[in-house]
Amino acid sequence: GAGVSQSPSNKVTEKGKDVELRCDPISGHTALYWYRQSLGQGLEFLIYFQGNSAPDKSGLPSDRFSAERTGGSVSTLTIQRTQQEDSAVYLCASSPRWGTSRVNEQFFGPGTRLTVL
Amino acid sequence: GENVEQHPSTLSVQEGDSAVIKCTYSDSASNYFPWYKQELGKRPQLIIDIRSNVGEKKDQRIAVTLNKTAKHFSLHITETQPEDSAVYFCAAKDTGGFKTIFGAGTRLFVKA
Repeated sequence: GAGVSQSPSNKVTEKGKDVELRCDPISGHTALYWYRQSLGQGLEFLIYFQGNSAPDKSGLPSDRFSAERTGGSVSTLTIQRTQQEDSAVYLCASSPRWGTSRVNEQFFGPGTRLTVL
Repeated sequence: GENVEQHPSTLSVQEGDSAVIKCTYSDSASNYFPWYKQELGKRPQLIIDIRSNVGEKKDQRIAVTLNKTAKHFSLHITETQPEDSAVYFCAAKDTGGFKTIFGAGTRLFVKA
């Protein structure tokens, strides 16, 4: 079946502008994660959603970052007043529901490469 | 807070040699330890995982070992091939929750 998709694949913006990044998880997956990967660096956790529960926002680096997940499916990560240090690849991942054999595995999307000029 | 340390950050081996990547974790509640491989420009993908009720797991040329007492786990790749060149991430998770903590990654180069 279809994997996790993200859009856009690349985004170039000017400093101070707002951007929205979209993630479509695998159908039926209840958990959704956002990570940031700076050039040559590891996976920095940003936020995760689990079903209808309140999201864990503990990884968001500042109040310029926010995320929503509508209807338990599609998620949007919004970065307001972008800064050059926000330049990175933003990865989304989803995991299946409890009780399935691969509940702990994260299925990653291809990422959105954000460049802030 | 929870932390996963991964070493080395870069590893270069000759084709056919073995490669070992080591990780330590801090959260004693962690009981699931996956390894992800990220090829250049691609998304991370799970290659092997281990749960805390076993000490070792093998899948063809890759194996993972776990020492829960010492909070160490390692990835072993034998008979390395150029296509093994990638960044490898270890991670730790408490299966009672959903948060997975990733290590910083190891960039493996396999020289032909």
